[in-house]
Parts: sequence; C-alpha cells; structure tokens
Amino acid sequence: AQKVTQAQTEISVVEKEDVTLDCVYETRDTTYYLFWYKQPPSGELVFLIRRNSFDEQNEISGRYSWNFQKSTSSFNFTITASQVVDSAVYFCALGLIQGAQKLVFGQGTRLTINP
Amino acid sequence: GAGVSQSPSNKVTEKGKDVELRCDPISGHTALYWYRQSLGQGLEFLIYFQGNSAPDKSGLPSDRFSAERTGGSVSTLTIQRTQQEDSAVYLCASSLETDQETQYFGPGTRLLVL
Repeated sequence: AQKVTQAQTEISVVEKEDVTLDCVYETRDTTYYLFWYKQPPSGELVFLIRRNSFDEQNEISGRYSWNFQKSTSSFNFTITASQVVDSAVYFCALGLIQGAQKLVFGQGTRLTINP
Repeated sequence: GAGVSQSPSNKVTEKGKDVELRCDPISGHTALYWYRQSLGQGLEFLIYFQGNSAPDKSGLPSDRFSAERTGGSVSTLTIQRTQQEDSAVYLCASSLETDQETQYFGPGTRLLVL
C-alpha cells in the first residue's frame, strides 16, 4: 500500500524563523514521484515541486529547499527566513505510475507565520 | 494563461438531491482528475480521465458518484441522492499529456449537504 505521513499537524513560528515540514512516504514501487503543494486560505492547491525517485539531489528555489532521502523514505521541505505570506496548509504527495497518475496525499501541515 | 476553473464555487443542497459539479481544465491538458478533500479523510483521489475515457475510477466512493468528460475538455462530476457525508471540497486537476506527473489544481467546489 502507498502512504504519505506528515506527522506535524500544525506548526507556528515567528516571521524570519526557518521551518522544516516533514514528509515520510511508503511505497513498494521503485519508480515514483514526490510532490509538495501549498494550499493558501483561498483553497487552491499550488504546485511547488516534483522529484522523481531516481534523483536524490536536493533542490533550492529561493527561500524554499527540499531534502529527498530514499534511505529514510523522506522528502522534507524547509522554508528559510519565513514570511507571513508563507502561511498555508502544505501537502506532501506521492505519485504512482500505474496507468494513472493519481496522487496519494499526506494529511497536510498547517503552517502559521506570525508577524 | 487561464488555470483550471470549477463551478459552482459553493453549493448547498438538501439530503437526497442530485448535484453536478463542473471542471474546466487548462486548455490543451488531456488528463483530468477529480479529488475530494474532507475533514475526516483528507485529500482522496476519485477518478482520472485521459481524453474522454476514464481508465481509473477506483476512487469513486459509491455508485451514487459518476463523472463524464466530453470533447476532451469539460468534465462533470455528478452525485446522486446526496448524503451528509458527501459534504467536502471537490477539487479538479489537469495535466499535459507530455507531463502527466504534474497536476495543476482548480479552486474547488465546496459542497454542503444539509
């Protein structure tokens, strides 16, 4: 079975602090994709990043960085120097290649950045 | 360009009534997906379309749920004889045939069954 676990239900930090959102996944597939999506109060899921299972290179995009470690089945997301606009629910997802690209989502982490 | 659009944005209905939710994918996107987001279940996959055909309906929770897609574009998700447990946000996503792994989501339809 495929499963994504985001153990942190809610995180609250003060602006400018760094914050890491954890994601652990389970799959027996050898080929898969991992995603992070942001859901601001407006409700729309915004795509942030996709990684495939062959590429364990970490990625940095501005204040965002992602740490993919197959050995621990983790795909963690770090926001550096957080801002109030980063406040949202963040979802980690696992994409399976079984004839359909359906995504299996974690339960989400609600991040609140306080001024 | 325009993103995925969904209508209505909010729908309140009485238990037992039928509802239709509409999704208009990004122009040129051949794959279309429906998900449901509810408090108890999180985000769940419902159904996937490639063109007008639905190779994966595995997520539809019951036979009260159906979906169709015509012209390779707009899709309609129909819930018959709605129940209170159907209350949720229904999200639609679409993706390019050449990049099906990356799904772009619409704003969702918030359904409340009284």
